[in-house]
Amino acid sequence: KNEVEQSPQNLTAQEGEFITINCSYSVGISALHWLQQHPGGGIVSLFMLSSGKKKHGRLIATINIQEKHSSLHITASHPRDSAVYICAAWNYGGATNKLIFGTGTLLAVQP
Amino acid sequence: GAGVSQSPRYKVTKRGQDVTLRCDPISSHATLYWYQQALGQGPEFLTYFNYEAQPDKSGLPSDRFSAERPEGSISTLTIQRTEQRDSAMYRCASSGGQGRIETQYFGPGTRLLVL
Repeated sequence: KNEVEQSPQNLTAQEGEFITINCSYSVGISALHWLQQHPGGGIVSLFMLSSGKKKHGRLIATINIQEKHSSLHITASHPRDSAVYICAAWNYGGATNKLIFGTGTLLAVQP
Repeated sequence: GAGVSQSPRYKVTKRGQDVTLRCDPISSHATLYWYQQALGQGPEFLTYFNYEAQPDKSGLPSDRFSAERPEGSISTLTIQRTEQRDSAMYRCASSGGQGRIETQYFGPGTRLLVL
């Protein structure tokens, strides 16, 4: 079992739909990242959060530390949102300081 | 610089050859990370540096892999005696703090193909 799991693995949506991607983790974390990876392109960090909720434009990220669960929401989805979305748990302690990545969610938004 | 840069962007090599990949982090950033990303998979941590110190290299797959950051800025990742299973995208990232909880900024990656 992966330490960081995402669901769904693949998601197809129609333009304008509200999208939710879920991330569950089993390790102790200090923070959780949401990243976006476009086909053939680089990885962009969307959010880093350790509690509560953050919002940037049409993107919203929430985290529940007690339940070890985070969600990424996209409102009014658009085809340009099509990408792989990856959550990554920051495991910070002692000499270890690294991101543990989920396997990603491939999102395709159709016009 | 304005962002994290990596070179080369693409590298094709024959099995058994050594390759060296380069990462230029954001100039003010203390911490630099290396990741390996196989096709269709998420990035996997390899190692990281705080300036020139390398506190954690537990992710390096074998002793054929090594990384350096001798002056605390530019870093190189060297793979000796490459094998076909080393084919992947190699990404570096940097962050401003000394390993504190911070957003990492990623470079464009080097795609390595070992024939």
